Parts: sequence; structure tokens; C-alpha cells
Amino acid sequence: DSGVTQTPKHLITATGQRVTLRCSPRSGDLSVYWYQQSLDQGLQFLIQYYNGEERAKGNILERFSAQQFPDLHSELNLSSLELGDSALYFCASSVGHANEQYFGPGTRLTVT
Amino acid sequence: AQSVTQLDSQVPVFEEAPVELRCNYSSSVSVYLFWYVQYPNQGLQLLLKYLSGSTLVKGINGFEAEFNKSQTSFHLRKPSVHISDTAEYFCAVIQEDAGGTSYGKLTFGQGTILTVHP
Repeated sequence: DSGVTQTPKHLITATGQRVTLRCSPRSGDLSVYWYQQSLDQGLQFLIQYYNGEERAKGNILERFSAQQFPDLHSELNLSSLELGDSALYFCASSVGHANEQYFGPGTRLTVT
Repeated sequence: AQSVTQLDSQVPVFEEAPVELRCNYSSSVSVYLFWYVQYPNQGLQLLLKYLSGSTLVKGINGFEAEFNKSQTSFHLRKPSVHISDTAEYFCAVIQEDAGGTSYGKLTFGQGTILTVHP
């Protein structure tokens, strides 16, 4: 158990819908990262927050957004969903930037 | 942009044999290197890390890796594998720029599926 929690574990929804994925980092970790894992793209970095502020953006679509709340939990919002958004979405946390990241169990999103 | 290449997509090996999973990264001012393991239907678990210091790092489950700056490699090794080591292994890098700023994002290789046969 990494100490990072993610909900829900599975999500099945239809195209055009909007979903919210939730992540709670390990106690004491200020950085939260979101990654997408798919068969064709592999593991890709989406976005990073540090102590409530956005710090880095990766290959995140404009239909996707995220935020980190004062209690340090984070949410990833995916809207206007397309079939190609079906993937595993991981949250990770770390103490700072140049440190190891601990991953949650992931949310498997299926868009039908 | 940083890139990570895992040279083998699949590595089959017999139980109790040694194994090496190869990883090369594109050169950078400074890098931090990691190996993660992913068991079926699970998240990623940190195996080991290189942040600084000794170039030979030891991790969990008997794995070790050696950082070779001149060859920009970070190969993962285990002297004797078990059936339970069957999983997918990912090499990953955090890049630090010339100003010493690390953006923290992990760049992953494409993964190596290790299959241990009895």
C-alpha cells in the first residue's frame, strides 16, 4: 500500500459525458501528479500540482482539467469524453519535485 | 525533450536464472532515475531510485540497478528471479534543467514485460 488513494476504482460512462477522478496523496506529500496509461500511448504525464498551485503541464487535453484543494487532495475532471479517453488514470504524490513518486491504484475509465 | 528507451519489450527467463532489463535515457544536465514494477491490474510500485551518490543502487525484492552516466544507462538486474517477479517493469526519469530546476514529471519508457517460467 503506497498510501495514495484514488476513487473510484472503475468508471464506465458514455461519450460526451463528464467525470471526476479523485486522489488523496500520502500524508506529508505536497506534490500531486496525474498520469494516463493506455496501450497505444503508454504512461504519459498529464499535470502536476504543488501545494495547491499548478506547476507543470504535460500532454493534457483542453477538455481535461485538474485542481488541488487546501487539504492537498486533487481532482481530475474529464469532459466531453471520447472513446479514446478510455485508459487507466494514475495519481502519484511526492514530497517535492526531485523525489520518488508513489502511485495510487489507479482509476480505470471506460468510455462507451 | 527527455526520452527513455527500454530496449526489450519482452524478456522471458527461467526461474532462478539471472535477468537484466535494459534502459537508456537521453542525455541531460542532471537526471533522477527510477524503476517501477506493475503487477497485473495494479498500480506502479517503486523498485529503486537513483538521486545521487553511489551509482549502484539496491531496491526491494533483490533488484539492483547501476547508473552509468557515460553510457546514459540505468539497467535493472536480479541475480536469481522467482515466478512472482513476473510483471511489467518501467524505467523512468526526472529531468533537471541547466538552472537546477526539476519539473518533477516522470518520463517513462515503454515498459518491459518480464515472464518467469518454471
